[in-house]
Amino acid sequence: EAGVVQSPRYKIIEKKQPVAFWCNPISGHNTLYWYLQNLGQGPELLIRYENEEAVDDSQLPKDRFSAERLKGVDSTLKIQPAELGDSAVYLCASSPRDGNNEQFFGPGTRLTVL
Amino acid sequence: RKEVEQDPGPFNVPEGATVAFNCTYSNSASQSFFWYRQDCRKEPKLLMSVYSSGNEDGRFTAQLNRASQYISLLIRDSKLSDSATYLCVPKGTNAGKSTFGDGTTLTVKP
Repeated sequence: EAGVVQSPRYKIIEKKQPVAFWCNPISGHNTLYWYLQNLGQGPELLIRYENEEAVDDSQLPKDRFSAERLKGVDSTLKIQPAELGDSAVYLCASSPRDGNNEQFFGPGTRLTVL
Repeated sequence: RKEVEQDPGPFNVPEGATVAFNCTYSNSASQSFFWYRQDCRKEPKLLMSVYSSGNEDGRFTAQLNRASQYISLLIRDSKLSDSATYLCVPKGTNAGKSTFGDGTTLTVKP
């Protein structure tokens, strides 16, 4: 069974540029998460989807971050404009239902903002 | 205060040693947890679930102390391959929300 797929794996951009990350969850998983992880820290939840509905986006900096999950499958996370402090690993995870189940993580996108 | 606190370590132990570390949590409604392991520059992967009765899987034992609000992970007969960061997270108690700890780093040396 294919795992969670993310692309790109690495991205280097200059500050103030836009950037987008893509995630394809495990087939049949209704719940999709986007996390941000800085070095030496645990994953921090940005947004959680149940199917196509964003049920928790309280930690998403909405002035520059946006996300969508059209048709309740793939998802994209966008930053516009990127800032130096956005450099981090962006992880996507999926689970069959909500947070009571194991989350399966993708390999992440390592973003460097110069 | 963060919902989940972990001793960042690093814990440096020789092969074959027994090592244990804890994860404290602030939400008394949390009843079960996950331990994930994360290898360097890799994604987290589930290690084991922890329920009120605890859990044991081979060399790994996890226990939940609800009175003191912490969970523990015990690793016996440490292997070099156990070197990783161990993250704890409560199973969703607030509409499925999850909050990861910052992890404890373990290095097992020959």
